[in-house]
Amino acid sequence: QMQLQESGPGSVKPSQTLSLTCTVSGGTIDSGAYYWSWIRQLPGKGLEWIGYIYSSGSTYYNASFESRATLSIDRSKKQFSLRLGSVTAADTAVYFCARGGRSLTAYYPNDYWGQGTLVTVSS
Amino acid sequence: DIQMTQSPSTLSVSVGDTVTITCRASQNIGVWLAWYQQKPGKAPKLLIHEASSLESGVTSRFSGSRSGTEFTLTISSLQPDDSATYYCQQYKEHSTFGQGTKVEIK
Repeated sequence: QMQLQESGPGSVKPSQTLSLTCTVSGGTIDSGAYYWSWIRQLPGKGLEWIGYIYSSGSTYYNASFESRATLSIDRSKKQFSLRLGSVTAADTAVYFCARGGRSLTAYYPNDYWGQGTLVTVSS
Repeated sequence: DIQMTQSPSTLSVSVGDTVTITCRASQNIGVWLAWYQQKPGKAPKLLIHEASSLESGVTSRFSGSRSGTEFTLTISSLQPDDSATYYCQQYKEHSTFGQGTKVEIK
């Protein structure tokens, strides 16, 4: 059974960079059909897609985050990461990693998720 | 960008009721619509994909349907454990989530 686990600091100061890593276990990170997503949830609010990365390194970002977010992947460690720069209090949220995908004929939803990690932006 | 409009935002229902939640896409997304259940402090759980395909292990009391760009999640014979927030998501063009529907048990 595939499992995803987020890790990283639970607190970041304003204007600094938020850095999170998601470790994949129980399955491969190398499948070309799947991509690896970051999704966040502001306190008491809905879900917001940040971006995703394929094992090839190709990335796609929500336009709202494109100037501040960077996704990377380390296939040897079965990890992918999010860096979000110039954070403010409005970036305080639970950050989830998840798997999604597409093939030539189909699209796949986010079927496996990490438990989520709360990141608080505060001085 | 594709927008998803989900309604209602909250529902207060009784055990045994049938619940209907609707999601409308701003453009054609075909069948590429998923429904998730989220309980407090937990990650979303995939219930339905491709508009009407039940995820493995999910009770058949959950069902989904599509009519053009309008999608419906139906929960039949509501149980106390169904108290949660439900989200739709289009995953044809990157990803967009609906605003969520909180289902409360009276």
